[in-house]
Amino acid sequence: GENVEQHPSTLSVQEGDSAVIKCTYSDSASNYFPWYKQELGKRPQLIIDIRSNVGEKKDQRIAVTLNKTAKHFSLHITETQPEDSAVYFCAASRLISNLGNEKLTFGTGTRLTIIP
Amino acid sequence: GAVVSQHPSRVICKSGTSVKIECRSLDFQATTMFWYRQFPKQSLMLMATSNEGSKATYEQGVEKDKFLINHASLTLSTLTVTSAHPEDSSFYICSARDRGARPEQYFGPGTRLTVT
Repeated sequence: GENVEQHPSTLSVQEGDSAVIKCTYSDSASNYFPWYKQELGKRPQLIIDIRSNVGEKKDQRIAVTLNKTAKHFSLHITETQPEDSAVYFCAASRLISNLGNEKLTFGTGTRLTIIP
Repeated sequence: GAVVSQHPSRVICKSGTSVKIECRSLDFQATTMFWYRQFPKQSLMLMATSNEGSKATYEQGVEKDKFLINHASLTLSTLTVTSAHPEDSSFYICSARDRGARPEQYFGPGTRLTVT
């Protein structure tokens, strides 16, 4: 099955600087890569996702890059703010159809702390 | 749109009793729902995939007779933890995927189970 590794496990960044979180996956058939933000005791919330037919996607201060050959993808947060502090999870999935039963395999998470 | 609710948000039960957790998609139909368990400071671990009208698919190592899943309708799935023990104490989160739409999984707010 799929195995997703995520680094670093913790990351502290000065407010205004950029943060980068990296993930690698093992299943070359995986084609959907979402990133989730989870605040303490709350539900994970999707912040950005990318499909394997795209190399990069950007949404305001958040961007994701995908290298299919190397099987890794990264989350980039620019101009970080205190409210960006949370745990971030990457995930990978192999989407086959619109049936919707393809599962996500999550990375181990990165605790991001923005230092004011 | 795409709201998933979960009930209860917190439950404390005595060892040996059973607890039922409900997961509802409020504004969309979910052919598939997923049940996760998350221990403190750890990632989300998929327990089972719940398909409307059929038996759930359990991940390796998850006891199907202990964690009973029923997906009775396109908007409701339930997880019953039977004969709960202290080691079952965890944060249980469900997610649902909108049939035929985006691949995104929408997460419920989670249920904090404490077994005394």
